[in-house]
Amino acid sequence: DTAVSQTPKYLVTQMGNDKSIKCEQNLGHDTMYWYKQDSKKFLKIMFSYNNKELIINETVPNRFSPKSPDKAHLNLHINSLELGDSAVYFCASSQDNTQYFGPGTRLTVL
Amino acid sequence: SQQGEEDPQALSIQEGENATMNCSYKTSINNLQWYRQNSGRGLVHLILIRSNEREKHSGRLRVTLDTSKKSSSLLITASRAADTASYFCATDANSGNTPLVFGKGTRLSVIA
Repeated sequence: DTAVSQTPKYLVTQMGNDKSIKCEQNLGHDTMYWYKQDSKKFLKIMFSYNNKELIINETVPNRFSPKSPDKAHLNLHINSLELGDSAVYFCASSQDNTQYFGPGTRLTVL
Repeated sequence: SQQGEEDPQALSIQEGENATMNCSYKTSINNLQWYRQNSGRGLVHLILIRSNEREKHSGRLRVTLDTSKKSSSLLITASRAADTASYFCATDANSGNTPLVFGKGTRLSVIA
């Protein structure tokens, strides 16, 4: 059984479009995260949610809007996509210090 | 801000050799973790070492932590081709569920 799943795995879209990435975890964890990994493999935190509430927003443009309908889901909606948004986006969850990552969504903005 | 810095950026060894990767960080930490990422995949947790620990083992993995030097090392003994991956250190400054700050990773290639 997949612990943390993301859809889609690949997303190719034009500049200016709006897109969403979905994340679900079946581990029963209270805390979920979105990370962005750039082309140089640098992984950086974007958002952190605890029990559906936003805890951390790390200077991410407000074109990015996370939504947590319940504590098992944390979706990421991106408005007006830009070329610089191209990256791999990882969802993760944690219950203690250890984080469990999803497989990633590779977003390519043309 | 970027916290961990892995060294070397890339490492290529023969199967059966040991691989050592180092990580340095800048601020006080609660614990330090090492993760592995296979190409095109998500990160997988390998081992966690707390700030009051100096060494930890898990199978073929050995991690050391020197808080006075703000550095850690990951040793993989008797490497296998399947160990080929990128390895990241990650730190957090607080206990509980806080985001991790990752380094840029070391790309390890184990040649059969």
